[in-house]
Amino acid sequence: GQNIDQPTEMTATEGAIVQINCTYQTSGFNGLFWYQQHAGEAPTFLSYNVLDGLEEKGRFSSFLSRSKGYSYLLLKELQMKDSASYLCAVRDSNYQLIWGAGTKLIIKP
Amino acid sequence: ETGVTQTPRHLVMGMTNKKSLKCEQHLGHNAMYWYKQSAKKPLELMFVYSLEERVENNSVPSRFSPECPNSSHLFLHLHTLQPEDSALYLCASSQETSGSGANVLTFGAGSRLTVL
Repeated sequence: GQNIDQPTEMTATEGAIVQINCTYQTSGFNGLFWYQQHAGEAPTFLSYNVLDGLEEKGRFSSFLSRSKGYSYLLLKELQMKDSASYLCAVRDSNYQLIWGAGTKLIIKP
Repeated sequence: ETGVTQTPRHLVMGMTNKKSLKCEQHLGHNAMYWYKQSAKKPLELMFVYSLEERVENNSVPSRFSPECPNSSHLFLHLHTLQPEDSALYLCASSQETSGSGANVLTFGAGSRLTVL
């Protein structure tokens, strides 16, 4: 079957750096997405990786290794507003999105 | 208005009630989706519409009935639901349903459904 694994919850300190990992086993690969979802709000798009390597976008970076079935989302200079759930999703060979259960990130002062 | 708008934001219903969830997108997208989000579980795709035609139905119970009258509006009609149907129902839209490129989903804030 197809599967996306990511930690259920992580805690980090304001101003620090945190890395949220995502591993996947899917039928084919056509891109990996990260979304951010604040409590009670809509998930919003953060990043899209289709080739190996690091994509940087301000304080957020996303890394992909297709050979390892692995991605991570790196958040730098953490702010309290970064407290949210982070959803990893992979698009398989049929262009279906396979979702992880999300990682709840708690930022402490 | 811009983006994807869902109403109502909160809904409480009994198992014998009939209600509907509404979604509207102002992005000119061609595809619209219903997802179910339960605590600590992955998003579950329920229905996909492309250009007002249903292209996917992921074995969803018949007590959930979608309707897409035009490319901007999507409804989810609910009847004789069960307590386990309590969840957040998210609507999303995208430019298309497949193909190359990111084809990013834009989500609404969801309708929180509680079935008593």
